[in-house]
Amino acid sequence: ELKVEQNPLFLSMQEGKNYTIYCNYSTTSDRLYWYRQDPGKSLESLFVLLSNGAVKQEGRLMASLDTKARLSTLHITAAVHDLSATYFCAVDKDYGGSQGNLIFGKGTKLSVKP
Amino acid sequence: KAGVTQTPRYLIKTRGQQVTLSCSPISGHRSVSWYQQTPGQGLQFLFEYFSETQRNKGNFPGRFSGRQFSNSRSEMNVSTLELGDSALYLCASSQSPFEQYFGPGTRLTVT
Repeated sequence: ELKVEQNPLFLSMQEGKNYTIYCNYSTTSDRLYWYRQDPGKSLESLFVLLSNGAVKQEGRLMASLDTKARLSTLHITAAVHDLSATYFCAVDKDYGGSQGNLIFGKGTKLSVKP
Repeated sequence: KAGVTQTPRYLIKTRGQQVTLSCSPISGHRSVSWYQQTPGQGLQFLFEYFSETQRNKGNFPGRFSGRQFSNSRSEMNVSTLELGDSALYLCASSQSPFEQYFGPGTRLTVT
């Protein structure tokens, strides 16, 4: 059974600090997605990582993918309150086939405090 | 370009009833996927449609069904509603294999 595991599930950070969210998955998929969800809102796409060694950065967030280790990380640099949200990683279950069958991790609820 | 739209946004139904949710994808997108989000089970894949054909189905009972029309709009139907069907139902559309755009969701409450 395909599993996607995130840790930590809850993260309380102080503004200005750095931290990393980890996403382990059990399939050989090379497509890894990161999404952000604010309370009561839908999912916002952050990053799509398509190959081993892929690294993408947007503002204070940087995502990387190691397909050999089946591990992706989302690194937060100098956190600010606006980053408070729940972050999900997801993997394509049918990589190479259809494009809509994502398996999600349970999400990491990030709270950034002043 | 308009985003993915879902209607209705909120819905309250009674156990045993049925419900139909609608999703209009981004113009030009032919793939539509549906997901259920609950606090206990998280985000779970329901099904995916492409050019009016169901390409994938998640592990949900037959009470959950869907369809896609020639204009790529999609509907999902849940019959004989149970309390556990209360959830946020998200629709996503895509044009390429590498990006899915999610709609605002329909929050269904079953009483």
